[in-house]
Amino acid sequence: DAGVIQSPRHEVTEMGQEVTLRCKPISGHNSLFWYRQTMMRGLELLIYFNNNVPIDDSGMPEDRFSAKMPNASFSTLKIQPSEPRDSAVYFCASSLGQDNEQFFGPGTRLTVL
Amino acid sequence: GEDVEQSLFLSVREGDSSVINCTYTDSSSTYLYWYKQEPGAGLQLLTYIFSNMDMKQDQRLTVLLNKKDKHLSLRIADTQTGDSAIYFCAENGNTGGFKTIFGAGTRLFVKA
Repeated sequence: DAGVIQSPRHEVTEMGQEVTLRCKPISGHNSLFWYRQTMMRGLELLIYFNNNVPIDDSGMPEDRFSAKMPNASFSTLKIQPSEPRDSAVYFCASSLGQDNEQFFGPGTRLTVL
Repeated sequence: GEDVEQSLFLSVREGDSSVINCTYTDSSSTYLYWYKQEPGAGLQLLTYIFSNMDMKQDQRLTVLLNKKDKHLSLRIADTQTGDSAIYFCAENGNTGGFKTIFGAGTRLFVKA
């Protein structure tokens, strides 16, 4: 299995632009998580899905952030409009069951200028 | 809500033991985990302990759990420069919905 796949690996954009991050979970996994990691705040859970349904989005910082999971093999995290403080590494993780071992993707490093 | 706390930085000399500590609040935790993140990569499960155990040893790694104090530690014996990474404590429990909660991560620096 290829593991969790994220794209792009790096994204540099200007303030105000829309950013879309993509994730393909491990085949057969039914839980998907989006995290944000910064030096100042560490790892933060943004949202997670169970069987494609958003369960907890309390970590989504603002209305500028939205996440979708249209099917079991694809999820997106969108930021519109982006701001410099959104600069971080965004990780997607998947698991078989929301409380089991999570497998992380390599992350997308986002820089908003 | 449930919370997992750990210090952000730890520095040790090569060959010494490293001890990374973690406290958590959810008493319903079934498993407690240690994940490792190497530079430029995602997190990977390093080891875990079931909540009814006090200790688990795996080669150079020793996990200690004090359930009464809700305290978890990871000891790395004979720390090597290759152990430099960020170590995340995590717990799963059913308070507020069954999910895994991660700490912010402890960045381990190993000096040669």
